[in-house]
Amino acid sequence: AQTVTQSQPEMSVQEAETVTLSCTYDTSESDYYLFWYKQPPSRQMILVIRQEAYKQQNATENRFSVNFQKAAKSFSLKISDSQLGDAAMYFCAYNNAGNMLTFGGGTRLMVKP
Amino acid sequence: EAGVAQSPRYKIIEKRQSVAFWCNPISGHATLYWYQQILGQGPKLLIQFQNNGVVDDSQLPKDRFSAERLKGVDSTLKIQPAKLEDSAVYLCASSPHGAVRREKLFFGSGTQLSVL
Repeated sequence: AQTVTQSQPEMSVQEAETVTLSCTYDTSESDYYLFWYKQPPSRQMILVIRQEAYKQQNATENRFSVNFQKAAKSFSLKISDSQLGDAAMYFCAYNNAGNMLTFGGGTRLMVKP
Repeated sequence: EAGVAQSPRYKIIEKRQSVAFWCNPISGHATLYWYQQILGQGPKLLIQFQNNGVVDDSQLPKDRFSAERLKGVDSTLKIQPAKLEDSAVYLCASSPHGAVRREKLFFGSGTQLSVL
């Protein structure tokens, strides 16, 4: 079974600074997708960024980028120029051939003004 | 466009009681998901509907949980009887066709259930 591990329960960053959230996963598959979701206090999960395992190039979405290390099974999220609105829970998620998303336990990001 | 609507937002019940949650997905979305999110954990898929048919309910505790999606639109998730360990946020999500890899999932704000 696939597992997704987020080893940082909480992270803190100063506004305008850069922060990196860690995620590791365990799988024997070669074809899969990885995601980062943001969950603000409203509880509404929002897709931040997506990475296809077969692509070597790291995905980027504006201030959000990933560092995908397939051999190490590592998928970290970098948030540049952090803003107060980035404060939320962040979940790493994995998907293989089916329609199931397996989520990690989450990292709470706090942004200090 | 209107988002995924869920109600109620909060629900408190005693163990062994029954409870129902309602979800109205985004208009035109064929796929509807119910997730359970226990405090301090990531969401776990309970059931996936494609139109009004069940695609995956492998993680649904069928002895006490049931779900239906009448006419392929609204959906109801029921727990009967509830146990203490059912305390969680129940999230509903929808997507146009169910292609998790390529489509964005749109989530509702969830129902927070407390079982006392």
